[in-house]
Amino acid sequence: GDSVTQMEGPVTLSEEAFLTINCTYTATGYPSLFWYVQYPGEGLQLLLKATKADDKGSNKGFEATYRKETTSFHLEKGSVQVSDSAVYFCALSEGAGNKLTFGGGTRVLVKP
Amino acid sequence: KAGVTQTPRYLIKTRGQQVTLSCSPISGHRSVSWYQQTPGQGLQFLFEYFSETQRNKGNFPGRFSGRQFSNSRSEMNVSTLELGDSALYLCASSLDSANSPLHFGNGTRLTVT
Repeated sequence: GDSVTQMEGPVTLSEEAFLTINCTYTATGYPSLFWYVQYPGEGLQLLLKATKADDKGSNKGFEATYRKETTSFHLEKGSVQVSDSAVYFCALSEGAGNKLTFGGGTRVLVKP
Repeated sequence: KAGVTQTPRYLIKTRGQQVTLSCSPISGHRSVSWYQQTPGQGLQFLFEYFSETQRNKGNFPGRFSGRQFSNSRSEMNVSTLELGDSALYLCASSLDSANSPLHFGNGTRLTVT
């Protein structure tokens, strides 16, 4: 079945540092890929998505590129802020409907 | 525009009891999905409803069930509660058009004692 593997946290960074969170997936077909973010005390929010190979999703300074050859969708941000402290989830969706398969989540803590 | 509303926010139940959780989707959204979030298993898909029909189902026992009403509101029910059912239950709604994102509620935190 489908699966998503992402790097375990927590990841602790200083403000303005570069952030990378690795995500790889296993799927039988051609899934859509997503990054969701969960800020403290809040629900999950869609951060960005990509629906086909070589697509780049971007939002709020975050980027991720759909790499079919390496089955990866790594999340990057060039300069993080304290407000980026959250748990980040990589996910995929395949087939009809809205069934998401999530990775285990990566907690990111940005210190001033 | 109101977001996805889940009630109640917190629930404490005893082993063996049953529980019903409610989800009101964003107006106009016809797809409603449910997820279980636990520290050990992470986020796991329970089921999805669209136009009152179950469209997708995850790998959960039959004690977990759901339904959707004609106004797209959804409920999920867990019978014969077990300690391991303690979790944050998240509901998400979607327009269900191509590339429409899921909008998640803040969840119902269920504690089984």
